[in-house]
Amino acid sequence: NAGVMQNPRHLVRRRGQEARLRCSPMKGHSHVYWYRQLPEEGLKFMVYLQKENIIDESGMPKERFSAEFPKEGPSILRIQQVVRGDSAAYFCASSSLGTDKYFGPGTRLTVT
Amino acid sequence: GIQVEQSPPDLILQEGANSTLRCNFSDSVNNLQWFHQNPWGQLINLFYIPSGTKQNGRLSATTVATERYSLLYISSSQTTDSGVYFCAVGGGTGTASKLTFGTGTRLQVTL
Repeated sequence: NAGVMQNPRHLVRRRGQEARLRCSPMKGHSHVYWYRQLPEEGLKFMVYLQKENIIDESGMPKERFSAEFPKEGPSILRIQQVVRGDSAAYFCASSSLGTDKYFGPGTRLTVT
Repeated sequence: GIQVEQSPPDLILQEGANSTLRCNFSDSVNNLQWFHQNPWGQLINLFYIPSGTKQNGRLSATTVATERYSLLYISSSQTTDSGVYFCAVGGGTGTASKLTFGTGTRLQVTL
């Protein structure tokens, strides 16, 4: 049973470009969560999605960030016009209702 | 929102020593998990423990939900236990709600 998969594992973007991060949940999991970890800090919640629905986006920056979890395919976290402050590790987690959450290996985004 | 505090922030142990990590939270929760982030950045699930006591090998955890704290015990520590230990809690309606992470305990186990 494959775990949570994220790609790419490392992503380098120049300032002003777009970054697309992908997350495939564990088989049977319909809940997806995105978190951001800045260097030497804990994980901060960004957004919680179910298929085709955003359930809680209270941690998402108001501009440039968006997330989706379509009926088919992985969840996507999209960052438009990246800035140096977006450099971080972005983790995706998945769960079934009422169970613990499992995290993927993360995508390390570097903005140059 | 829920506040999560972990102590100590840093811990250095010699191999073979035991340790206790603490997690305090500010409100009632319906989900509590302990994670180990290894030096490569990977988050590893240790325990799902909103209440009660669990053991897995050299690790065990206890959550006293009524007093809003959880403890993670590491016995006979090994160098591979090094990394950051996070406590994360979830509250609100339903167990599917988001996790709020503490700032972690950074553990270094030396020979």
